[in-house]
Amino acid sequence: AQSVTQLGSHVSVSEGALVLLRCNYSSSVPPYLFWYVQYPNQGLQLLLKYTTGATLVKGINGFEAEFKKSETSFHLTKPSAHMSDAAEYFCAVMPNNNDMRFGAGTRLTVKP
Amino acid sequence: DTGVSQNPRHKITKRGQNVTFRCDPISEHNRLYWYRQTLGQGPEFLTYFQNEAQLEKSRLLSDRFSAERPKGSFSTLEIQRTEQGDSAMYLCASSSSGDWQIYGYTFGSGTRLTVV
Repeated sequence: AQSVTQLGSHVSVSEGALVLLRCNYSSSVPPYLFWYVQYPNQGLQLLLKYTTGATLVKGINGFEAEFKKSETSFHLTKPSAHMSDAAEYFCAVMPNNNDMRFGAGTRLTVKP
Repeated sequence: DTGVSQNPRHKITKRGQNVTFRCDPISEHNRLYWYRQTLGQGPEFLTYFQNEAQLEKSRLLSDRFSAERPKGSFSTLEIQRTEQGDSAMYLCASSSSGDWQIYGYTFGSGTRLTVV
């Protein structure tokens, strides 16, 4: 079965610092990979996704992620954190065309 | 179209009562998904529909849970004889089987259920 592991349930950075949120997946075949963001009491918003093609994908709000098959990773980065980036971030894998499986999430705190 | 709509936003119920949630997907989307999210966890897949057909159900969906999508448009999720462990956020999402690779899933804001 395909699964997702997010390393670090809580990450804290200073405003303007690099954001790195880690995601590793287990899969017997190259999966489709996603990052979603969730603000308090809201649903999930798609940040970016990897399906096929270029392994470095750019998303909204300045985020990007790189699919590394050899490391089975799909880490999310942003060069400079903003206060508005504080939220819960979820990595997800879609093993087939039917349903998406999520990691446990990483809460990002941005300090002024 | 304003996205995926879920009602109610919040529901407080007594243990043993039945509750029903509604999800209105994006009108062009033929796929609809239900997820459950407990505090501090990621969403867990419950079930999904393609048009009116329920194609997959998670083992998390016990006999007390039932979901319908009668005309391939809105969907309802019913929980019978609620238990305190059912307290969670219930998320609905929709997608198009034709272009989900471009747009992914679109999620609603969820229904937060509290069983007291």
